[in-house]
Amino acid sequence: DIEMTQSALSLSVTPGESVSISCRSSQSLLHDNGYTYLGWYLQKPGQSPQVLIYLGSNRASGVPNRISGSGSGTDFSLKFSRVEAGDVGVYYCMQALQTPFTFGQGTRLEIK
Amino acid sequence: QVHLVQSGAEVKKPGASVKTSCKVSEHIFTNSAIHWVRQAPGQRPEWMGWINTGNGRTKYSQKFHGRVTISRDTSARTVFMELSTLRYEDTAVYFCARWFGESEALDVWGQGTMVTVSS
Repeated sequence: DIEMTQSALSLSVTPGESVSISCRSSQSLLHDNGYTYLGWYLQKPGQSPQVLIYLGSNRASGVPNRISGSGSGTDFSLKFSRVEAGDVGVYYCMQALQTPFTFGQGTRLEIK
Repeated sequence: QVHLVQSGAEVKKPGASVKTSCKVSEHIFTNSAIHWVRQAPGQRPEWMGWINTGNGRTKYSQKFHGRVTISRDTSARTVFMELSTLRYEDTAVYFCARWFGESEALDVWGQGTMVTVSS
């Protein structure tokens, strides 16, 4: 199975600041078709996860452009140019290159 | 609009089985990939398996050693996930989610079903 590791378990940020969440996979997530099968999901308290970023850097519908995904191969980041109060929750990276899909352990974003 | 509506909470004894359901919007049911993901309290999500609602083909995580079965009832537009030989560590919220091929992501999720294994 592909192992996903997020380096920070929690981050506390002041509104308006920028922040980055990192994720590393145990093997490259680049498919033969040229796409990188890495997604970012946000789980707000008491809710189901929701997709933010797919295929490494594509924003899902409704995701503001202050949130961006980047990276390649085995190293990925989710970046917020300006954090807002509504961004609180737990962020997971997930690989979909092969089954079983696997998730990182999550990074909890808190607002100061 | 795409909706996935899951069945209500369950309490089961160790060794029993649980079967939960996920009702899928009419316009997407005939050719969708519905995945099941569970999340134990305070833990990361864990992928369990998926079904192609069109042809019924399934694939499962080997972690469950044959204890999980995903099926569908096309007339009811419903997907089922059955987990057998329940253990205390199977206590979790079980989610169904649609895999959307254009984005290669789990783009729509059900609200989750809490399954508690308790004697």
